[in-house]
Amino acid sequence: DVVMTQTPVSLSVAIGQPASISCKSSQSLVGTSGKTYLNWLLQRPGQSPKRLIYLVSKLDSGIPDRFSGSGSETDFTLKISRVEADDLGVYYCLQGTHFPYTFGAGTKLELK
Amino acid sequence: EVQLVESGGGLVQPGRSMKLSCAASGFTFNNYDMAWVCQAPKKGLEWVATISYDGSSTYYRDSVKGRFTISRDNAKSTLYLQMDSLRSEDTATYYCARLRVGGWGQGVMVTVSS
Repeated sequence: DVVMTQTPVSLSVAIGQPASISCKSSQSLVGTSGKTYLNWLLQRPGQSPKRLIYLVSKLDSGIPDRFSGSGSETDFTLKISRVEADDLGVYYCLQGTHFPYTFGAGTKLELK
Repeated sequence: EVQLVESGGGLVQPGRSMKLSCAASGFTFNNYDMAWVCQAPKKGLEWVATISYDGSSTYYRDSVKGRFTISRDNAKSTLYLQMDSLRSEDTATYYCARLRVGGWGQGVMVTVSS
C-alpha cells in the first residue's frame, strides 16, 4: 500500500500569516495515464471533508486562490498564503492513483 | 448542485449485517466512479471501497474484503454498501464520495456493539 506521510501533525498560525503542509508518498503517484491523483481536503469541525485541490495543483470551484498545491512524483505541498478564520480544521492529502487509495494522517490547523 | 445523502446507519451487534445507501442528485450518476470512506471516532479518513461508473469493477481495502460489498443502481442514482460480519472495529462514520472529482455526503454513523 502507498503510505502517505503528512507533516506537521498540527499547525498554529495567526490570521494573515502563511501556512504550509507537506505530504510525501512511499511511491510515485504518477498513474498510467500520466496524471497524478493527489488531492487535498479540508474537514472543518463537525463537517464532512471538502476537496480543495485535485491533480496536485488544480483548485476546486469556489476555493479561494489563497490556497495552492504543488509537487510531483512523491513530494507534495499545500500552501495557504494568508490564513483566515474559516481555514481552521483538519487537512488531509489523498492519493487516488493506486488501490487501495490512502490518506495522510491529517494536519490540524489552529489559529494562534 | 452535487448532493450525496447517506442513510441506513445505526447500532448493530457484532457479527450482524447492515446496508448503507447513498442517494445522489445534481449530476449524471452513471458517469462517475463512486466510493465509501470511513472515519472512526476521533480518527482519520480511511478508504473502504470503490465501484466503477458502470458497476463492472469493484475494489476494497483488505480489512473489509469478503465482508463488505459495494454496489450501485444507476437507474435509481443510488450507491450501496452491504456490510456483513460486522466487527467493533468497523464502528465509524461512513461517507459516500466521488473521490476523483469531488463531492462528499454528510456521513452516516455505524456503531457495532453488543
